[in-house]
Amino acid sequence: GDSVTQMEGPVTLSEEAFLTINCTYTATGYPSLFWYVQYPGEGLQLLLKATKADDKGSNKGFEATYRKETTSFHLEKGSVQVSDSAVYFCALTRRSSNTGKLIFGQGTTLQVKP
Amino acid sequence: ETGVTQSPTHLIKTRGQQVTLRCSSQSGHNTVSWYQQALGQGPQFIFQYYREEENGRGNFPPRFSGLQFPNYSSELNVNALELDDSALYLCASSGDLTGVENTIYFGEGSWLTVV
Repeated sequence: GDSVTQMEGPVTLSEEAFLTINCTYTATGYPSLFWYVQYPGEGLQLLLKATKADDKGSNKGFEATYRKETTSFHLEKGSVQVSDSAVYFCALTRRSSNTGKLIFGQGTTLQVKP
Repeated sequence: ETGVTQSPTHLIKTRGQQVTLRCSSQSGHNTVSWYQQALGQGPQFIFQYYREEENGRGNFPPRFSGLQFPNYSSELNVNALELDDSALYLCASSGDLTGVENTIYFGEGSWLTVV
């Protein structure tokens, strides 16, 4: 079945460091890919998405490129801030399922220190 | 602020009891999904409702059931609670079935503890 695998955390970085959180997926067909963020005490928020191969999603300085050849959707940011500390989830959905069912990875905790 | 509100925010139940969780979708959204998020894990899809009908279900037993009302608000019911049901339950609403064309918005969740 479909699945998403993320790098294990926690990831601890100093402010202004470069961030990469790895995400790979297994799915039939052409899934749409998402990154969601969960700040402490809050619900999930969509960070960015890509719906076809080679698409790049971007938002708030974060970027991720849909790489079908490597089945990956790694999240990157050039310079992290303390306010980026949160749990990040990679997810996929298959339009053909017609349910909007999101399949999530296990989440990666990011802690940014001043 | 996503426009999706859930209640209650926290509750404690005893094993074997029943619980009802409620969700008010974002205005204009006719699709609602429920997810279970165990501590330290990613959310798991329970089911989706579209126009008051169940439209897809994850790998959860029948004691997990739901309702969607004409105003598109929703309930998640869990019978015969088990300790493993302790989790954060998330409601998500969207303006389309696939969740691709329109953003899926999540509520802040209901924390359920079963003792």
